[in-house]
Amino acid sequence: EDQVTQSPEALRLQEGESSSLNCSYTVSGLRGLFWYRQDPGKGPEFLFTLYSAGEEKEKERLKATLTKKESFLHITAPKPEDSATYLCAVRDGNKLVFGAGTILRVKS
Amino acid sequence: ETGVTQTPRHLVMGMTNKKSLKCEQHLGHNAMYWYKQSAKKPLELMFVYNFKEQTENNSVPSRFSPECPNSSHLFLHLHTLQPEDSALYLCASSQVGDRGNTIYFGEGSWLTVV
Repeated sequence: EDQVTQSPEALRLQEGESSSLNCSYTVSGLRGLFWYRQDPGKGPEFLFTLYSAGEEKEKERLKATLTKKESFLHITAPKPEDSATYLCAVRDGNKLVFGAGTILRVKS
Repeated sequence: ETGVTQTPRHLVMGMTNKKSLKCEQHLGHNAMYWYKQSAKKPLELMFVYNFKEQTENNSVPSRFSPECPNSSHLFLHLHTLQPEDSALYLCASSQVGDRGNTIYFGEGSWLTVV
């Protein structure tokens, strides 16, 4: 059965303090690893899809990378508005299997 | 209207009530989903509809009854719920056949069962 584990559960950063979130997965034949951002009381917002080891994607202060066993979401010089829960998911057939998420808080 | 729209955004219901959640997608997708999100737990898939046909029921209790009249609309009918069913219910859609089959979510319906 596919498994997705995210770490840390929660992360507190000062504004400008770069860091990384981890998503480790076990899946037979990866057909896509997805990152979402979720603000309190709202639905998840799609950020990135990665398909193969070595692939990288960027959007503003976020950069997602992928290896054969894990993905990292790097946050460079974060701002308070980057505070949210970041969710990772892998494709299993016609559905996504999600991790529990990392709650990020960026203080000014 | 763009994206995936869910109504109502908030719902409080008694355990003997019958209510429905509604979802509409404006993305031209051919698959729709219901997910449940409880506090401190990963999103749980409930139902998948592909071209209006239910393709997945993730062992969901029968007090939850989905309906998909067409590829743009999805309902979740609720009856005799339990307090532990209180959660955020998320509707989503995707285009099966596209690379990645990215799933796009609505804002969710907050359900409280009293």
